[in-house]
Amino acid sequence: GAVVSQHPSRVICKSGTSVKIECRSLDFQATTMFWYRQFPKQSLMLMATSNEGSKATYEQGVEKDKFLINHASLTLSTLTVTSAHPEDSSFYICSARDPDSLYGYTFGSGTRLTVV
Amino acid sequence: GNSVTQMEGPVTLSEEAFLTINCTYTATGYPSLFWYVQYPGEGLQLLLKATKADDKGSNKGFEATYRKETTSFHLEKGSVQVSDSAVYFCALSHGSSNTGKLIFGQGTTLQVKP
Repeated sequence: GAVVSQHPSRVICKSGTSVKIECRSLDFQATTMFWYRQFPKQSLMLMATSNEGSKATYEQGVEKDKFLINHASLTLSTLTVTSAHPEDSSFYICSARDPDSLYGYTFGSGTRLTVV
Repeated sequence: GNSVTQMEGPVTLSEEAFLTINCTYTATGYPSLFWYVQYPGEGLQLLLKATKADDKGSNKGFEATYRKETTSFHLEKGSVQVSDSAVYFCALSHGSSNTGKLIFGQGTTLQVKP
């Protein structure tokens, strides 16, 4: 089946620095990818929809200048957490529509971000 | 707006017990419904799905039936195993092609003890 590769799986950074998370679709093209954030023991919150070649669509309450999304190619979307603070520590997951399934989505393995 | 509500966990069962995790939804029209499973430290994996009323999704012994009259999509398994311990998410999606986005329930943690 379709695979989405997310990297890195874990990252620790200092407050004030920026962190980039990559999401790649393997063996298929993803014109749209989705970025989620998950707090401990909570559900996934959709942050934004990443559209290839155009600006991302952010959900209400998500700071677009804080969470920069770039979808420069049909196989790669990146999420950059800028000027990270401890409250940005979370589990970030990307997903894309599964081309092998009319209604399916395939998810990356997630990135655990810890800001110290 | 669209929303998904799951029963609160954690759900703790002994091996071979019967499992039910309740899920109800609020949506206009006819959404697609999903169950996803998340093992510790990992992303989500699709467990099963149903795309129209009365459809039954099934996989790995798990089943869920799309009930429009009760707006429900309860997850069931006749005999759970320790390896089923994970967090289970009910979700819905509206829209076609690449524009539909998933709306998740809050997740239910299942712990199966030997």
